[in-house]
Amino acid sequence: QSVLTQPPSVSAAPGQKVTISCSGTNFNIDNNDISWYQQLPGTAPKLLIYDNNKRPSGIPDRFSGSKSGTSATLGITGLQTGDEAGYYCGTWDSSLGAWVFGGGTKLTVL
Amino acid sequence: QVQLVESGGGVVQPGKSLRLSCAASGFTFSNFGMDWVRQAPGKGLEWVAGMSYDGSYKYYADSVKGRFTVSRDNSKNTLYLQMNSLRGEDTAVFYCARHVIGATGESWFDPWGQGTLVTVSS
Repeated sequence: QSVLTQPPSVSAAPGQKVTISCSGTNFNIDNNDISWYQQLPGTAPKLLIYDNNKRPSGIPDRFSGSKSGTSATLGITGLQTGDEAGYYCGTWDSSLGAWVFGGGTKLTVL
Repeated sequence: QVQLVESGGGVVQPGKSLRLSCAASGFTFSNFGMDWVRQAPGKGLEWVAGMSYDGSYKYYADSVKGRFTVSRDNSKNTLYLQMNSLRGEDTAVFYCARHVIGATGESWFDPWGQGTLVTVSS
């Protein structure tokens, strides 16, 4: 059972938009910044979004992040088959004194 | 370019020990905190341990506290994870990651190494 809650899977057609939610508590999401990671099949995780809504260099603006209270959301527009991957949210939990990740969401582009 | 390369994984019996290494290049290693994150087969990411840039702060997940020890050698640009009393549930791919801290305290992991597989089995 992960501290941060994500839907196990989401799906959408190519070209469409999808959102992935990440729900936590006031000990983690509400009082700390969120980052998102993309894990393509058989590869290591890669930073997608940091500080709630910032994109590293090289990440297209099809990817966006937002946070409100104890929840965060990753948005992906203009879906491509190459976006099929696992997506994870992560942040510091002040109560646990540890980093925590969501359980991960598998994106399928139909 | 910034690169992290893990090594030291393998098959080990329950109760035995193993030491993982993470060799860093392409950045000033001594300026950054470093962390270990693992992923059991078919499962999600689990943060394991972290260490400040100078080694003065170390912190661990409850699941490994007392069994795993994180350390670093800034002269060799290398991070280590000493794993003792290994259990079957420790079987996972172990990733090292650079822990970046922003100007106002925000933090994230970037980049990640390619991972090294640890299998605990008799």
